[in-house]
Amino acid sequence: QSALTQPASVSGSPGQSITISCTGTSSDVGGYNYVSWYQQHPGKAPKLMIYDVSNRPSGVSNRFSGSKSGNTASLTISGLQAEDEADYYCSSYTSSSTPYVFGTGTKVTVL
Amino acid sequence: QVQLQQSGPGLVKPSQTLSLTCAISGDSVSSNSAAWNWIRQSPSRGLEWLGRTYYRSKWYNDYAVSVKSRITINPDTSKNQFSLQLNSVTPEDTAVYYCAGGQLVDAFDIWGQGTMVTVSS
Repeated sequence: QSALTQPASVSGSPGQSITISCTGTSSDVGGYNYVSWYQQHPGKAPKLMIYDVSNRPSGVSNRFSGSKSGNTASLTISGLQAEDEADYYCSSYTSSSTPYVFGTGTKVTVL
Repeated sequence: QVQLQQSGPGLVKPSQTLSLTCAISGDSVSSNSAAWNWIRQSPSRGLEWLGRTYYRSKWYNDYAVSVKSRITINPDTSKNQFSLQLNSVTPEDTAVYYCAGGQLVDAFDIWGQGTMVTVSS
């Protein structure tokens, strides 16, 4: 099972919006609404930001939103803040023998 | 508030068995609606899902194909925890290991603090 494809880096200025893509196949992202997104600060465990494509867990800022079109899922961060600088990973359920796959990760830099 | 607390050694010799435990507070390993996973992270492999255990009137396990011949995940209902055993480790198994899980079966909503495991003689 190959990792989902994410851009290596995305940057934006405070207050701007950025979007991170997560590209898979019809066997994972395109086939199921079980895409989730994680934020990871250096030396810390990942934190769930979005689940089931577009749902936010309690306590996660509404500046974070998720969507999906075909085999590509997206995470949008609006009103970018310094604290959003982190690595972001997507994950999806898959129909392969290994049920879950992660993305390659995207480093978000706030300029 | 659900919390996961990991324990286990940070150094394992090649060919030996890596063993980690994840203690659950605020939820139950036997919950009929939860799933409990092990995930690892290394610079070379990124985040890699290893396996899970869950209870739906009986116990189930799923494992990643990449480690299926070497991995065992066991629940311990008496201590409300679950464990990871990875046999015949090599330096390629060096990684930060996380337990993760909760009520969102197809997402990982609660994470342990992570354990850096180095495979070296």
